Amino acid sequence: DGGITQSPKYLFRKEGQNVTLSCEQNLNHDAMYWYRQDPGQGLRLIYYSQIVNDFQKGDIAEGYSVSREKKESFPLTVTSAQKNPTAFYLCASTYQATTGANVLTFGAGSRLTVL
Amino acid sequence: DAKTTQPPSMDCAEGRAANLPCNHSTISGNEYVYWYRQIHSQGPQYIIHGLKNNETNEMASLIITEDRKSSTLILPHATLRDTAVYYCIVSPQRGSTLGRLYFGRGTQLTVWP
Repeated sequence: DGGITQSPKYLFRKEGQNVTLSCEQNLNHDAMYWYRQDPGQGLRLIYYSQIVNDFQKGDIAEGYSVSREKKESFPLTVTSAQKNPTAFYLCASTYQATTGANVLTFGAGSRLTVL
Repeated sequence: DAKTTQPPSMDCAEGRAANLPCNHSTISGNEYVYWYRQIHSQGPQYIIHGLKNNETNEMASLIITEDRKSSTLILPHATLRDTAVYYCIVSPQRGSTLGRLYFGRGTQLTVWP
């Protein structure tokens, strides 16, 4: 079955440590996204990538970094510069059509807790 | 950048229709209305979208008013598994803000037995 796999599902880290969240998709989607969700809140866009080797900052990119070396993979690194990293992180993807609706497929999420 | 207004919570009896409203009075002519839902601690799931006409699929129906300033998502026979947060989103067609769907706080729908 095609879909998006995020790992790990739960992650604990100490302050000052960088962590990398994995996002892999086998949907042959061109564009991939990372969102952050805090308790009781909506989703906020961190980074997105429309093609391999290219990505753009979203609304809350500070303290995060990404790479897009392969079409299938879009890992997110939460750096020590991110002041409040405890959150639920969601990866999504979609086809890169030029017109029409844009329907996102989401992964199951990764919950990061900083101790 | 909220462009939609939804009630924070609603409830519905199992087996009855759930009608979730959404106001989007500033919607532009090229903006779609999307609905997603998120079951607790899972990723959001796409439900349906529309531009001008009413739409129906296996999950739900979307009714858009003629002036496009509001819409209603209808779950015709709600089940306990429909308990979730439902997000109404408006976004331009591709080519401008690809993927930038703004998810607000949505409506928490609780279906009770």
